[in-house]
Amino acid sequence: DGGITQSPKYLFRKEGQNVTLSCEQNLNHDAMYWYRQDPGQGLRLIYYSQIVNDFQKGDIAEGYSVSREKKESFPLTVTSAQKNPTAFYLCASSPRDSYGYTFGSGTRLTVV
Amino acid sequence: QKEVEQNSGPLSVPEGAIASLNCTYSDRGSQSFFWYRQYSGKSPELIMFIYSNGDKEDGRFTAQLNKASQYVSLLIRDSQPSDSATYLCAVKGNGNKLVFGAGTILRVKS
Repeated sequence: DGGITQSPKYLFRKEGQNVTLSCEQNLNHDAMYWYRQDPGQGLRLIYYSQIVNDFQKGDIAEGYSVSREKKESFPLTVTSAQKNPTAFYLCASSPRDSYGYTFGSGTRLTVV
Repeated sequence: QKEVEQNSGPLSVPEGAIASLNCTYSDRGSQSFFWYRQYSGKSPELIMFIYSNGDKEDGRFTAQLNKASQYVSLLIRDSQPSDSATYLCAVKGNGNKLVFGAGTILRVKS
């Protein structure tokens, strides 16, 4: 079945540690996105990529980094510069110029 | 002013009633509009999209769009307890990025 796979489902980060969230899709979609969701604040865009080897900052990119070396993969690294990383992270993809996104099941990141 | 605004709720309706969810947006150039349903702890799933002024019906769901008023709504007829969730309004302008509202919590009481 086609879809988007995010891993891990739960992730715990120590202070000062970088962690990487995985996002893989087999939908042959051109565009991929990372959103962060905090309670009561909806989804906020971190980074997006509309084509391999190219990506742009979203509204809250500080403290995060991404790469897009393959069409299928768009990993997100939460760096130690992100001071409040505890949140639900959602990866999504869409065909170029599509009308909607398909979401992965999410990764819940907690700082310990 | 937020780009996409929704009443956070919760909106409580009895089983079998019509639930009406509303959303306003600030960018007049917005071209397409989406409603996502999100159950607690889960990822959003697309339930409706609309591009043209007027109504669009799909089963128990009707999306309504009024571009002049910058207003989009979702009606859920014959509401069921399984419809209890957070409903996210999303708007797409130039480019392929969706801007989401904070969501409205819907509770359907049996």
